[in-house]
Amino acid sequence: GAVVSQHPSRVICKSGTSVKIECRSLDFQATTMFWYRQFPKQSLMLMATSNEGSKATYEQGVEKDKFLINHASLTLSTLTVTSAHPEDSSFYICSARKAGGDYGYTFGSGTRLTVV
Amino acid sequence: TQLLEQSPQFLSIQEGENLTVYCNSSSVFSSLQWYRQEPGEGPVLLVTVVTGGEVKKLKRLTFQFGDARKDSSLHITAAQPGDTGLYLCARRDGYQGGKLIFGQGTELSVKP
Repeated sequence: GAVVSQHPSRVICKSGTSVKIECRSLDFQATTMFWYRQFPKQSLMLMATSNEGSKATYEQGVEKDKFLINHASLTLSTLTVTSAHPEDSSFYICSARKAGGDYGYTFGSGTRLTVV
Repeated sequence: TQLLEQSPQFLSIQEGENLTVYCNSSSVFSSLQWYRQEPGEGPVLLVTVVTGGEVKKLKRLTFQFGDARKDSSLHITAAQPGDTGLYLCARRDGYQGGKLIFGQGTELSVKP
């Protein structure tokens, strides 16, 4: 099966600091990974598409300088929330699509970010 | 971005009742997926429907894809407390890198 590992599962940081979230595909190569944000009782909102070896594609309204995405290898994408503020507190989830796969999206278990 | 309208957004029922969740769009889907998400976890794929009129069953869950491939439904028979969770429909945007776009979600609570 396809497994995506997301780390950390929970993080608390102080306002103004940066936080890095990792998303790894453990048993497959993922040329494309996706980052979502989810508020309580709401659906997943796509933030950006992360492409291995190239710049991420951000959705409208998402600040690329605040949410830095790096997809340095076929198995790892990172999301860095820079200069975090309390309003950035949310549940962040990554998803990976297996190279050559059509329907196979696998999700990480999410990261609960709390900015105090 | 073509919207996926999901209804109802919240549903609270008693154990043993039946329910149906709907996912609609004005556009044709090439395929549609249903996910279930529990609190603090990522979504887990339940099913993918591809062919118009297709019906798929997963134990007490029945998924249907509309003939015109613009809508889908999820029916749960004799709901159990373990069915509690957020149910999401999602379509793949084939023209924009294959990103997955989700409906608003249906928060289901099944009380014993």
